[in-house]
Amino acid sequence: GNSVTQMEGPVTLSEEAFLTINCTYTATGYPSLFWYVQYPGEGLQLLLKATKADDKGSNKGFEATYRKETTSFHLEKGSVQVSDSAVYFCALLQNSGGYQKVTFGTGTKLQVIP
Amino acid sequence: DTAVSQTPKYLVTQMGNDKSIKCEQNLGHDTMYWYKQDSKKFLKIMFSYNNKELIINETVPNRFSPKSPDKAHLNLHINSLELGDSAVYFCASNQGQGSQETQYFGPGTRLLVL
Repeated sequence: GNSVTQMEGPVTLSEEAFLTINCTYTATGYPSLFWYVQYPGEGLQLLLKATKADDKGSNKGFEATYRKETTSFHLEKGSVQVSDSAVYFCALLQNSGGYQKVTFGTGTKLQVIP
Repeated sequence: DTAVSQTPKYLVTQMGNDKSIKCEQNLGHDTMYWYKQDSKKFLKIMFSYNNKELIINETVPNRFSPKSPDKAHLNLHINSLELGDSAVYFCASNQGQGSQETQYFGPGTRLLVL
C-alpha cells in the first residue's frame, strides 16, 4: 500500500534560518502530493501541492518539488519566522478502486525561536 | 465564510455515553471524509462519503457510524464511548470521487473521554 515517511521532529531553528523537512513516499502510479500545516490548537490547512512530476508547489515562502526519480517532496523555506512554528504533514492522494484516498505522514513539529 | 465547519469544537464526556459530531461544508463538494488524529498527531482516514453514499470504511469499530443527510453534511455518531476514542476528529471535503482534487479540512473536534 501507499506510505509517506517524514523526518521525525521536533525541528528547532532560530528565526531566519533555512528550513528543510524531508518527505519521501511509496505509491504506484502518479499520486498528487501535498503539504498541510497545523498551527497549535487549529485544524489542518493546505500549504502547497503538486500534481505531477517536476511540479513545484509554493506558498508563503515555502516550496516543495515533486521528484519522481527520488520519490520525494521535501519542504523548504529560506528564512523561517516564529509564526511558522507548527506541525507540518506531508500527504499523498491517489485514486484506488474508483475512489481517492489520502495517506498522511506522521507530521514534523517545527519550533522557531527568536 | 467558513468552508468546512464542525461542531462542537470541544467535547468532554464520560465513558459509555453516546455523542455526535457534526460537519458541514459550503463548498459544493460531493465527497466528505472523517479522519482521526491521535495523541501522536497521526492522521488516519475513517470514512468517506460521496453523494450520501459510503465509499470508504476503514477498520473502525462499529460503534462509529457516519450519517450523511445530504451531500453538504456528514455527521459522526459514536456509541458507548471508550477512553481510546479520545482524539481530534477532522472532517474534510473535496470534489470528485476518483479525482485528485485537494481535500479541505475543518477545524477539528477535540474529544476527551473520561
